[in-house]
Amino acid sequence: DGGITQSPKYLFRKEGQNVTLSCEQNLNHDAMYWYRQDPGQGLRLIYYSQIVNDFQKGDIAEGYSVSREKKESFPLTVTSAQKNPTAFYLCASKLAGADTQYFGPGTRLTVL
Amino acid sequence: GESVGLHLPTLSVQEGDNSIINCAYSNSASDYFIWYKQESGKGPQFIIDIRSNMDKRQGQRVTVLLNKTVKHLSLQIAATQPGDSAVYFCAERALSGNTPLVFGKGTRLSVIA
Repeated sequence: DGGITQSPKYLFRKEGQNVTLSCEQNLNHDAMYWYRQDPGQGLRLIYYSQIVNDFQKGDIAEGYSVSREKKESFPLTVTSAQKNPTAFYLCASKLAGADTQYFGPGTRLTVL
Repeated sequence: GESVGLHLPTLSVQEGDNSIINCAYSNSASDYFIWYKQESGKGPQFIIDIRSNMDKRQGQRVTVLLNKTVKHLSLQIAATQPGDSAVYFCAERALSGNTPLVFGKGTRLSVIA
């Protein structure tokens, strides 16, 4: 069973707590991406990584952090510095040099 | 700055009719365009893509048209079905294949049975 997995599907946290969202892919994709989606809105890029041990900030990186220690994993930490963290978070990946980017099923984070 | 946007935020069509979803882009350097379908609570699903050296590309019941003169992209869905109800996003990528996609805000398609 191949693809991009995000866990958990739903996540609840108290305000002020850091939380880490998981993204794993077994497609041997090189590049991985994190997006945030708010209700009725498009996708905004948080961070992306082209290769292991390297990543770049997207348009809304403030309050978030990432790591890329393994090719198949790109976890996203939502820190307490993120002022409005409640949103739907989407992970994506693609092969280097390829065009098509594929998405995972998403994690809905609710901060109480 | 550069942007990708949509002409219509919502579209309602009768089951069996054809649907046309439009998208405008402003970056003339974009060389790759892609359409995604997103059902409620799920991740976007790839539908079809097109490179700037093409004007038209067809898939199963879907066609993407690219008009570089007016920087316009459209997705045509033939014989629209209730299962086509979703939000549709267009996205573009400029220059090399390693730059991230830029997404539009999306159009909600509602199919009336």
